[in-house]
Amino acid sequence: QVQLVQSGAEVRKPGASVKVSCKASGYTFTTSDINWVRQATGQGLEWMGWMNPKSGNTGYAQKFQGRVTFTRTNSIATAYMELSSLRSDDTAVYYCARGRYFASQSPQTVLLDYWGQGTLVTVPS
Amino acid sequence: QSVLTQPPSVSGAPGQRVTISCTGSSSNLGALYAVHWYQQLPGTAPKLLIYGNTNRPSGVPDRFSGSKSGTSASLAITGLQAEDEADYYCQSYDTRLSGSVVFGTGTKVTVL
Repeated sequence: QVQLVQSGAEVRKPGASVKVSCKASGYTFTTSDINWVRQATGQGLEWMGWMNPKSGNTGYAQKFQGRVTFTRTNSIATAYMELSSLRSDDTAVYYCARGRYFASQSPQTVLLDYWGQGTLVTVPS
Repeated sequence: QSVLTQPPSVSGAPGQRVTISCTGSSSNLGALYAVHWYQQLPGTAPKLLIYGNTNRPSGVPDRFSGSKSGTSASLAITGLQAEDEADYYCQSYDTRLSGSVVFGTGTKVTVL
């Protein structure tokens, strides 16, 4: 079965960086994009961007451009999200999710069919 | 800052039918992009509930159904059960945001 297992909770000081890992199993890692989504406590879901593990191509939401980097190590089927210049409002649960493209009588969109368990990143103010 | 608007909360008694709306614009739902829905139980990761406006992944009960028309979409839950108490999010794609995945604001469903 498809599983995405993320690294454990992190605490960072303002201005520091954090790197979260996401290990995939149950499918061929290079055949699907990995997306990253975050959720502040009590708030909604916020999409951060995507990465194609096969090519290494990435796409970042405008809000995070220049501050987030997605990478991967295909030999261990693991994707990484690194967020720099952390602020207190970056405190959130960060999720990785497998992306699948959907296009049936409509323009292509991406849906997120499997999610990691989430990683809490805390940046004390 | 979400471009898809949902009601903050809906509620219903067990067995009742509730609906959740997801309102967008010409740059997302109105541009024919499909809507997907996620269920997030308390303290857990979101789970795909409906994809491509109306399709249920394997294992999702047929009590859940989706629809879309123009710039709006809806999720319906019939025969509401206690375990349906959760947050629900719609998701689509927006052409204005450099081709970006967008989520709805989220709706808390309470079973009375």
